[in-house]
Amino acid sequence: DGGITQSPKYLFRKEGQNVTLSCEQNLNHDAMYWYRQDPGQGLRLIYYSQIVNDFQKGDIAEGYSVSREKKESFPLTVTSAQKNPTAFYLCASSMGLAGTYEQYFGPGTRLTVT
Amino acid sequence: GESVGLHLPTLSVQEGDNSIINCAYSNSASDYFIWYKQESGKGPQFIIDIRSNMDKRQGQRVTVLLNKTVKHLSLQIAATQPGDSAVYFCAENRANQAGTALIFGKGTTLSVSS
Repeated sequence: DGGITQSPKYLFRKEGQNVTLSCEQNLNHDAMYWYRQDPGQGLRLIYYSQIVNDFQKGDIAEGYSVSREKKESFPLTVTSAQKNPTAFYLCASSMGLAGTYEQYFGPGTRLTVT
Repeated sequence: GESVGLHLPTLSVQEGDNSIINCAYSNSASDYFIWYKQESGKGPQFIIDIRSNMDKRQGQRVTVLLNKTVKHLSLQIAATQPGDSAVYFCAENRANQAGTALIFGKGTTLSVSS
């Protein structure tokens, strides 16, 4: 899994609660990303960060928030505003911009909200 | 909108055969493409990449072909093995106002039978 850690592997929450997914990397990568994957679907970009203290919305940012206070860490909060939060969440990192360098993925966190 | 697509959602082959997985992209400005392999419940793993100044690149048992004229990308796996069974995604870079990220297709599920 390339030095990227996501925890926990499985997460269960009640509807209406915010939940934060952890992503840590020890690859000294500048850029980090969060994707969402639904069954039988490809990956959809939620947020990405090219550098500490800066991040950009992806295609489906509504209902999510992130922070990038440290280079190694890029936590994702799934808020109660996210209408369909149950999904497989993948964190990735790359040395630089994704268009220039490959992305390395973590093992993923499967979030179930009931 | 711009998207990366795949021709077939599933592909079944016999062990030892060669596999060809296809992908069509729509953004003629994309200049970097990656193939990823994803096993069940895990994050995607990098297989091979190619830049638009090339039309072919080879790795260990894998070859990626890029046809910019028809915006088509393919992954060839030689002597397919049961361990190659997984979902394969192609991805292209996307330059936008804020930075660059990858767009992923929906994936092709490769099943290898002995």
